Formats: sequence, structure tokens, C-alpha cells
Amino acid sequence: DQQVKQNSPSLSVQEGRISILNCDYTNSMFDYFLWYKKYPAEGPTFLISISSIKDKNEDGRFTVFLNKSAKHLSLHIVPSQPGDSAVYFCAATVNTGTASKLTFGTGTRLQVTL
Amino acid sequence: GAVVSQHPSRVICKSGTSVKIECRSLDFQATTMFWYRQFPKQSLMLMATSNEGSKATYEQGVEKDKFLINHASLTLSTLTVTSAHPEDSSFYICSANGGIESYNEQFFGPGTRLTVL
Repeated sequence: DQQVKQNSPSLSVQEGRISILNCDYTNSMFDYFLWYKKYPAEGPTFLISISSIKDKNEDGRFTVFLNKSAKHLSLHIVPSQPGDSAVYFCAATVNTGTASKLTFGTGTRLQVTL
Repeated sequence: GAVVSQHPSRVICKSGTSVKIECRSLDFQATTMFWYRQFPKQSLMLMATSNEGSKATYEQGVEKDKFLINHASLTLSTLTVTSAHPEDSSFYICSANGGIESYNEQFFGPGTRLTVL
């Protein structure tokens, strides 16, 4: 049972344009969401997160939007740069006040072209 | 940011042997570490949660006698794949939570590529 889904396995965007990566979840208990970037043969790198009490969080070129009613979140990257090319994973967890396990989506491979 | 290291980065072993993978938090103390495995073009699947000074909590379907986890200190957790078989070949990644102020953020190691011949 895939509780966190990224329905687009790949996305190609031109440099300078906006990249929008989508993520859906089914478990209504999830209340904290994270995005990670991963290069081949490396561990994921934390990008940005959002709590369910917010609907938007912004950090530089990265913005995460959360729609709780739709159980949907998205990551916007603007402007996209060639160095952004990687696999992006969204992850969800239940905020327990201590370290909690993450449930990962299946990933979206982003290719930023010149 | 917090740094997590893994050793070795790559290991090739014969079927039937045991392999130990180390995960260290270099500049912070981690009471909880997590072990994941990733098959090619698939998501990261949590194997177990490792708590310092106590037994690890394994996810459903993960054999605790095959994947031995030890979290002896606040900066080191080890995963030992015992009697490895070719189907255990995978990319193993550990993570550590960032501490009290950022307990929801996990910092990942660079991963270990295990190939069992």
C-alpha cells in the first residue's frame, strides 16, 4: 500500500522556467511533509518541509504548497537551474514530538535542459 | 547542516558471508537513526528504526535475525547483513534525526552499495 505517491516518474523543464513536482498522500494522520533531492549513488539531501498547520513554505527558489483537503502537496522550483536535475522525493510523517519514521514517495526525476 | 557518514561506500562479497555497514553522525548526537534500502528506480523503504541503547524496531517483513542493528553510541549505528545472498544486493542508506529542535528532519548518509555474488 503506497501511502505517498508521486505519479509523475519524470519531468523535463527548460532552464529558467518553473518546475512543479507533485505528491499525493492517503494517510490523513500525516501532519509533516518534506522534500528531498537525490543524486544517483548518494543519500537524499533535505530541501524544504511544511507542517500541516501551514499551506505554504518558501525558502529561496523552493516553495512547497500543501492542500490538506486534497491530500496533495507540490514543490515549486523557480527559476529552474541545470544543477536542479536530480530525483526528488516527497516524504511524510506523523509529528510525535520525537524522531519519527518517514514514508517516501516513489520519486520524480527532474531534468532541467538548457 | 548536519553530516552523516557511511562506511564502506561500496562492498562486494561472496554469498554466505556477513557484511557490516557503519553509520555515523559527525557533528551532532543522534538518539535515533534509521536504516533504509533502495532498489533501482524505486523508493526508499524503511527497514528499521535504531535507538541508542535499546533494541531496534523493524518494519514488517524485515528479518531482524538477518539484518542486525546495533546503536551502541549517540553517534554510531551499525547494520550487519548476515549470511548475505544475491537478493540482498541493494543500496543501503542510513539517516539520523537532527536533534530536539529538528526532530522531524532526517539527515542522510551517502549510502552503501552492497553487491553479493
